[in-house]
Amino acid sequence: GAVVSQHPSWVICKSGTSVKIECRSLDFQATTMFWYRQFPKQSLMLMATSNEGSKATYEQGVEKDKFLINHASLTLSTLTVTSAHPEDSSFYICSARDLGAAGQSYEQYFGPGTRLTVT
Amino acid sequence: RKEVEQDPGPFNVPEGATVAFNCTYSNSASQSFFWYRQDCRKEPKLLMSVYSSGNEDGRFTAQLNRASQYISLLIRDSKLSDSATYLCVVNQGTGGFKTIFGAGTRLFVKA
Repeated sequence: GAVVSQHPSWVICKSGTSVKIECRSLDFQATTMFWYRQFPKQSLMLMATSNEGSKATYEQGVEKDKFLINHASLTLSTLTVTSAHPEDSSFYICSARDLGAAGQSYEQYFGPGTRLTVT
Repeated sequence: RKEVEQDPGPFNVPEGATVAFNCTYSNSASQSFFWYRQDCRKEPKLLMSVYSSGNEDGRFTAQLNRASQYISLLIRDSKLSDSATYLCVVNQGTGGFKTIFGAGTRLFVKA
């Protein structure tokens, strides 16, 4: 089955620093990857859609200058949380969408998530 | 109205019970449908796709009613390990395939 990896799985950083999270599709090519954030006991919140070779599309209320997304290849997307603050502490999950042979969209496969704690 | 709505839950059921989750979607142009399962502090994992003809995987049965814009998931003979949050997911639109997640329904299966 399709596998998506995410690194790191857990990070603690000081307020004001930047943190980069990597998302890789290991056994398929993903022209589109998604970044989500999930706070405790809440549902997934889509932050942005990352398209290979083009700028990411951010959801309303998500600061593009704070959450930098790069999708340089068909198997790698990165999310950088710049100048992190305690309120950015959350569970960040990426997903990748596998395209069928006919180019039709199928299910998303999720990475294991990155738990970010900003102190 | 939310684009994808699910029963708010939580559902508390005994082992062996049958439990049904419902989901409705608002966009009639939605094209593909899925149920995901999310365990506490873990990522969502695909449970099953949902087809117009209905599909079954062991104790799990998923059904889609396009006319009513309604999706269901039935779990028979519930196990303790079925305790999780179940997410209804809809791909909608053409070309861009926007994916919409339901808020999820929490299931607790008790001995």
